[in-house]
Amino acid sequence: GAVVSQHPSRVICKSGTSVKIECRSLDFQATTMFWYRQFPKQSLMLMATSNEGSKATYEQGVEKDKFLINHASLTLSTLTVTSAHPEDSSFYICSARDHPRQAMNTEAFFGQGTRLTVV
Amino acid sequence: RKEVEQDPGPFNVPEGATVAFNCTYSNSASQSFFWYRQDCRKEPKLLMSVYSSGNEDGRFTAQLNRASQYISLLIRDSKLSDSATYLCVVSNGTSYDKVIFGPGTSLSVIP
Repeated sequence: GAVVSQHPSRVICKSGTSVKIECRSLDFQATTMFWYRQFPKQSLMLMATSNEGSKATYEQGVEKDKFLINHASLTLSTLTVTSAHPEDSSFYICSARDHPRQAMNTEAFFGQGTRLTVV
Repeated sequence: RKEVEQDPGPFNVPEGATVAFNCTYSNSASQSFFWYRQDCRKEPKLLMSVYSSGNEDGRFTAQLNRASQYISLLIRDSKLSDSATYLCVVSNGTSYDKVIFGPGTSLSVIP
């Protein structure tokens, strides 16, 4: 099946620094990727939709200047948490779907997630 | 109203029990429906897609009621390994449409 690789799996950084998280589709091209955030004991919350070659679409309440998304190729999307603060500590996870736009009922594959701790 | 709602549980059931999870969604244009399973501190993994006619995969049965905008998952003969959080997932359908997760229902199967 399709594989999505996310890196790093775990990162600890100091408050005020920036952290970049990479999401790669290994055996398919992903025009669209999705970034989620999950706080302990809560559900995955969609942060933004990453579109190859164009600007990301952010969900309401997500600061686009703080969470920078770049989708420069069909197999790579990056999320940069800028000027991270302790409240940004969370589990960040990316997702992509492996079918043409017209296909229905397509499964979403997930990266392994990145556990970010800001100290 | 949230786009996808689930009973958060937790559901604590003995081994061998049958347990049912419910999910409702608010967007009537939704076309694709899934149940995902998430183990603690891991990424979600697809359990099964949900089709209009209902579908079964071993001990798992999924049902969809479009008129009521309601999805269900039935687990028969629960195993200890079924302990996880079950996520109801809804999408408009195509690969570029965002995938919305419900809050999840926690299941613990007890020996």
